[in-house]
Order: sequence, then C-alpha cells, then structure tokens
Amino acid sequence: AQSVTQLDSQVPVFEEAPVELRCNYSSSVSVYLFWYVQYPNQGLQLLLKYLSGSTLVESINGFEAEFNKSQTSFHLRKPSVHISDTAEYFCAVLGGSQGNLIFGKGTKLSVKP
Amino acid sequence: GAGVSQSPSNKVTEKGKDVELRCDPISGHTALYWYRQSLGQGLEFLIYFQGNSAPDKSGLPSDRFSAERTGGSVSTLTIQRTQQEDSAVYLCASSLSLRQDYGYTFGSGTRLTVV
Repeated sequence: AQSVTQLDSQVPVFEEAPVELRCNYSSSVSVYLFWYVQYPNQGLQLLLKYLSGSTLVESINGFEAEFNKSQTSFHLRKPSVHISDTAEYFCAVLGGSQGNLIFGKGTKLSVKP
Repeated sequence: GAGVSQSPSNKVTEKGKDVELRCDPISGHTALYWYRQSLGQGLEFLIYFQGNSAPDKSGLPSDRFSAERTGGSVSTLTIQRTQQEDSAVYLCASSLSLRQDYGYTFGSGTRLTVV
C-alpha cells in the first residue's frame, strides 16, 4: 500500500517570507498526488493535484507543487505567504486498498506578522 | 446541496452511549467516504460507498462501528457503546465518481467527544 510522509508537523514563518511544506510518498507505478488545506474550524479543501503531464502544478492562490519522481516527493511551495495562509496542509496519494486517498499527518503552517 | 453537509457539528456523549453521525453529500455524487481525524494522527480512512454499497468494511476500527447509505445519498455512521478513544473529528467526503481526478469535497466534520 502507498504511504505519505509529511516531515514537518509545524512550520512557523513570517508574513511575506517563502515557505516549503515537504511531502514524500512511497513509490508506485502510477501516482496521483494531492494537497488539501484545512482552515481553522473548516473542512478540508482541495488545493491542487498532480495526475499526469506537467510536473509543476499551481493553485489559484499562489501555491505550487512539483512532482519529483526520482525523489518521490511532492513538496508544496509559496514564494510569499500571507497571514490568511495560516492553516493545516495535508498531502495525499491515491492508493489505499479500496482505491481511497491516503493522507499524511498534516503540517500546520503558522504565518506571523 | 451546494456542499457536503454533516450533522451534528459537535456531539458530546457519555461513555457507553450510541451515537449517529450524518452526512449529506453533494447531489449527484455517487462516491462517499468517511474518515476520522484524531489529534496528531492525520486522517484515518474508515469506509467508502459507491452508490449504496460499501464493498469493504475492513477499515472500520471495531465492530462497534457501522455505516449505511440509502438512496445513493445520505449516509450515517453509527458508533455503539462509545469509548473515550472514539473521540475525534469524523469527516465525510463525496466525489462525482471513484475516479480520483475529481478529488474529494469534504464536509466540515462532526467533532465527537466521549466523556
């Protein structure tokens, strides 16, 4: 079965600084990868996904993630964060025994003024 | 509805009582998923439905947990004889189909506290 590792449980950063949230997955023949975001007291929202094609995928709010097959990684980056980006971010891979998404344990991004 | 609706949003129950959690998916979404989110544990997959059918229930933590879906729409997750370790946020998600390129739409969850 697939698995996902998010190396950092918490990432504090100052506003307008760049950020990288790390995600590694166990390898498989084909890989579908996702990042979800959970704002305080809300449900998870799909941020971006990689299914095929270009290895760099972008979200509408400035985040991007790059699929790196050789390093089995799908790190999430943003060049300049805002206070409103404070949330918990979950990396996920398709590959559970029932075809479900498998999630990492999440990374709490805290953006400070 | 416009989104996935879960009720109640919060539930406090005494140890040993039964609880029922409800999920109302987006209209037309045939796939429905239940996850459990515990502090520091990430999201644990529980069960999924394709239509009214749950092909595999092995993800449920114990035989105290059961789930059903009727009319290809509303799903209920029932926990019998609740224990303190059942305390968590229970999340429901739906998807247009089992094709994962659609991604999941999640509800806001039910926060269950067993005292």
